[in-house]
Amino acid sequence: DAGVTQSPTHLIKTRGQQVTLRCSPKSGHDTVSWYQQALGQGPQFIFQYYEEEERQRGNFPDRFSGHQFPNYSSELNVNALLLGDSALYLCASSLVVAGDSYNEQFFGPGTRLTVL
Amino acid sequence: LAKTTQPISMDSYEGQEVNITCSHNNIATNDYITWYQQFPSQGPRFIIQGYKTKVTNEVASLFIPADRKSSTLSLPRVSLSDTAVYYCLVGDPRDDKIIFGKGTRLHILP
Repeated sequence: DAGVTQSPTHLIKTRGQQVTLRCSPKSGHDTVSWYQQALGQGPQFIFQYYEEEERQRGNFPDRFSGHQFPNYSSELNVNALLLGDSALYLCASSLVVAGDSYNEQFFGPGTRLTVL
Repeated sequence: LAKTTQPISMDSYEGQEVNITCSHNNIATNDYITWYQQFPSQGPRFIIQGYKTKVTNEVASLFIPADRKSSTLSLPRVSLSDTAVYYCLVGDPRDDKIIFGKGTRLHILP
């Protein structure tokens, strides 16, 4: 059973460019969350997708957008890249379960984005 | 969301028991305490979660006092491979948005 997979592993872009990162959730999971992790910091929540819609969003500008496909995979798009967007971008998947149970999130290995 | 405070870094030796304490003075009634582990260039990995008293699994134990204003992650007999960043998180488990702090960098020495 494959866990969460992300592509590409590494990416180098220049300021002003646009980038698309991809994530395939763990088998059986229907919810995908994206996080940005700067060097030496904890991951910061960007947004979450469920049923192909953005369900929650963190404190990130509109340059950050996403999409979820019918097969639950997801893309993160970042427009007009800034130097400060250089970070490890993590995708996490979970399965929404009705009730009070904890929806454990499983993280992928991340995509290392470098903006020059 | 309750704010957490944990040591920035800790050193220990192989075979020792390591205890990492996290403070969360304004924890809410519905909040659970969750710990994640992260190795360099990898995503965080769930270790353990608890609400009160003590929780134990095959990896670690979590001790939570009655007032729930702090918690302690206990790693028994650590090895070099336990060198990682450990994050303490407090929140309502029904909220899928995880708020990470800066974590504790644990360095295990031979």
